[in-house]
Amino acid sequence: KAGVTQTPRYLIKTRGQQVTLSCSPISGHRSVSWYQQTPGQGLQFLFEYFSETQRNKGNFPGRFSGRQFSNSRSEMNVSTLELGDSALYLCASSWGLQGGTEAFFGQGTRLTVV
Amino acid sequence: DAKTTQPTSMDCAEGRAANLPCNHSTISGNEYVYWYRQIHSQGPQYIIHGLKNNETNEMASLIITEDRKSSTLILPHATLRDTAVYYCIPRGGGNTPLVFGKGTRLSVIA
Repeated sequence: KAGVTQTPRYLIKTRGQQVTLSCSPISGHRSVSWYQQTPGQGLQFLFEYFSETQRNKGNFPGRFSGRQFSNSRSEMNVSTLELGDSALYLCASSWGLQGGTEAFFGQGTRLTVV
Repeated sequence: DAKTTQPTSMDCAEGRAANLPCNHSTISGNEYVYWYRQIHSQGPQYIIHGLKNNETNEMASLIITEDRKSSTLILPHATLRDTAVYYCIPRGGGNTPLVFGKGTRLSVIA
């Protein structure tokens, strides 16, 4: 079956703009989590959605937001982009909430802010 | 969350077993030990997890000490494609996200 699909794969934005990233989970999976990966901070948890509700949130500013649709697809939005937001953004899907099941990751969206 | 200690890097000859250690001395009773790896420029990949018994699947074996304070991931016959960063992650049930440390960079050498 198809894996986790993230679009777009690469993105270049200008400081101050906003960006929306998309994640389609594995069919049947109801949980989608988002992570940010940078060389300095490594992989950091952003938030998790399950059944269209945010169930967990990491320590990121309010400029980072997300949502999940009824078909479990998820989007994350970053407003007022800063140079430090340049990173690989990874989405993971799992059947249930992350704690109870293994998570499967997509290939990520590489965002560059200039 | 339990803290983990992993070697920064390790080398392994192709075809030999790769043994990756992880110290998680503060793990709590309900936390599983999960292992993921990340090959360059790809998303992390689930490998295996266990609670207190040793586990084996098609990718690897996981050996957890009786006191659960440490574990070892074993790749029985390492190939060049196993070159990656390996993460050991203690994780409880319920609503707990994966917390990635710095992991071990494994280099498999021909």
